[in-house]
Amino acid sequence: EVQLVDSGGGLVQPGGSLRLSCEVSGFTFSTNWMSWVRQAPGKGLECVASIVPDGSDTYYVDSVKGRFTISRDNAKNSLYLQMNSLRAEDTAVYYCATGEGGYWGQGTLVTVSS
Amino acid sequence: VVMTQSPLSLPVTLGQPASISCRSSQSLVSSDGNTYLNWFHQRPGQSPRRLIYKVSNRDSGVPDRFSGSGSGTDFTLRISRVEAEDVGVYYCMQHTHWPHTFGQGTRVEIK
Repeated sequence: EVQLVDSGGGLVQPGGSLRLSCEVSGFTFSTNWMSWVRQAPGKGLECVASIVPDGSDTYYVDSVKGRFTISRDNAKNSLYLQMNSLRAEDTAVYYCATGEGGYWGQGTLVTVSS
Repeated sequence: VVMTQSPLSLPVTLGQPASISCRSSQSLVSSDGNTYLNWFHQRPGQSPRRLIYKVSNRDSGVPDRFSGSGSGTDFTLRISRVEAEDVGVYYCMQHTHWPHTFGQGTRVEIK
């Protein structure tokens, strides 16, 4: 059974940092490119970062460039999103997903507020 | 690449067909010849579920009342006979170009 388990969300003050994790099982993680997709409350889906299978290339939406870093550990079947300099507009549910969207995690809520 | 869906709200009658349009600001034909346009369905409080990949391929377990079509910049998701479980928000997504982008979503509700 395919499982993607997102974790690491929470309440953080503006300017703060969080690290999200996604543990994967049930498919060959190391051959899939992966993404973090977020959904602000009541809003649509936005792909914020993607990473190729071997981790050598990463892609970011403009609004998070320089603040977020996507990474992966293929030995641990895990995906990460380091989020720094967080802003109120980063408040959202963050999902990890395979790059083409075939599999999704359950999402983890990040709230940026003072 | 900007993805534009229409309509944004779609009231439908049970058993009747429904159609959602998705247009991209650039061609989604990749250098490898594939067109990476997917459709997703999301129910409240749930993660999105992919229905269609590469324009017209249904994912495993997706009822055959769902179909996708289109080419280049113009794509359509059709539901042949809407059932109660089809309510929710539908999104198109392209992953031909970086960053990957979604449409705004189309909310389907029963009249």
